[in-house]
Amino acid sequence: QQQVKQSPQSLIVQKGGISIINCAYENTAFDYFPWYQQFPGKGPALLIAIRPDVSEKKEGRFTISFNKSAKQFSLHIMDSQPGDSATYFCAASNFGNEKLTFGTGTRLTIIP
Amino acid sequence: DAGVIQSPRHEVTEMGQEVTLRCKPISGHNSLFWYRQTMMRGLELLIYFNNNVPIDDSGMPEDRFSAKMPNASFSTLKIQPSEPRDSAVYFCASSFLRGGSGYEQYFGPGTRLTVT
Repeated sequence: QQQVKQSPQSLIVQKGGISIINCAYENTAFDYFPWYQQFPGKGPALLIAIRPDVSEKKEGRFTISFNKSAKQFSLHIMDSQPGDSATYFCAASNFGNEKLTFGTGTRLTIIP
Repeated sequence: DAGVIQSPRHEVTEMGQEVTLRCKPISGHNSLFWYRQTMMRGLELLIYFNNNVPIDDSGMPEDRFSAKMPNASFSTLKIQPSEPRDSAVYFCASSFLRGGSGYEQYFGPGTRLTVT
């Protein structure tokens, strides 16, 4: 029940296209959903996060969409750029609990 | 702020040797996490501390692994004796509670450990 399932495992998108990564969870107590971005040789970095009181959060070209009834959330990268090529991890936690449950990661490649 | 600092960045050692990884969290962050990342197992939480006290060590693989946090600005992860299957990238992260949001974790650059 603690798992967060992430898909796809890898994704190739053309420059300028929309990249979409999906995550699903089972634990209904989860109420904080961050996304992390990791470049090769670096640690994961917090990208954007959402709480379930809103269905969408947008920061620049990055948007989280959240569907509480389906227990799913997704990351959308608009106008994808080669510099967005990285591994993306979704995560979840209970508010008040610092421990994050991470998805397995999606390796995103943006091709010219 | 300099962010989370880890040392060494790379460590190559022989099987059976003791390895000590070090971490300095971001000042003011109350919690510190140790993770291990491999291709096969992804990102695994090994242990985390809150206010220097170990809270959850259920991810520590076995007795060969130990972690300490003697003060708010320093933590170590020790492997003794090391084995080839311990080869991985080890990350340290620290976190703080952002009001109205959640606990934000900030990761260090990692230590790439190779055990031959």
